[in-house]
Amino acid sequence: GENVEQHPSTLSVQEGDSAVIKCTYSDSASNYFHWYKQELGKRPQLIIDIRSNVGEKKDQRIAVTLNKTAKHFSLHITETQPEDSAVYFCAASTAGGTSYGKLTFGQGTILTVHP
Amino acid sequence: DTEVTQTPKHLVMGMTNKKSLKCEQHMGHRAMYWYKQKAKKPPELMFVYSYEKLSINESVPSRFSPECPNSSLLNLHLHALQPEDSALYLCASSQGAGGGFEQFFGPGTRLTVL
Repeated sequence: GENVEQHPSTLSVQEGDSAVIKCTYSDSASNYFHWYKQELGKRPQLIIDIRSNVGEKKDQRIAVTLNKTAKHFSLHITETQPEDSAVYFCAASTAGGTSYGKLTFGQGTILTVHP
Repeated sequence: DTEVTQTPKHLVMGMTNKKSLKCEQHMGHRAMYWYKQKAKKPPELMFVYSYEKLSINESVPSRFSPECPNSSLLNLHLHALQPEDSALYLCASSQGAGGGFEQFFGPGTRLTVL
């Protein structure tokens, strides 16, 4: 089955700096890649996702890049703000077949943005 | 209504109790999921329902019994749980059961088994 590794496990930045989190996946059949943000005591929420035929996607201060050859995808947050502090989970999934949208998550990154 | 709701928010139960967790969505989504999340860990998939049919059971112990009465509701029946089952139980839904659909999570039920 799919295995997703996520690094770093913790990341501390100053407000205004950029933050980058990287995930590596094992199953070449995975074709959707997701980033979820979970604030303390809250539900996970999708912040951005990308399909395998796209190399990069941006949404304001966040972007996701995908390298299919190397089987890794990354989350980039620019101009970080204290409200970006949260746990970020990457996830991979496969459209179609019998996967039924199963998300395989990375272990998470605790991002702390210091004012 | 664009939210997934879950009840109760908190639940404390003994190992001999029977209880149920409830999840509801009114977004017309046809796939619903149960996840278990331990502190500082990612959600772990337990069950997937697609068009009200159980499609994935991730080898979950039989003391957890899912039920999908209709396309808007998802229940998780609990019986004879163990203390290690204490966790946050998250429900999610998506428009379809495929990798390209966003999963919307509910706020979760925090379960404590004594």
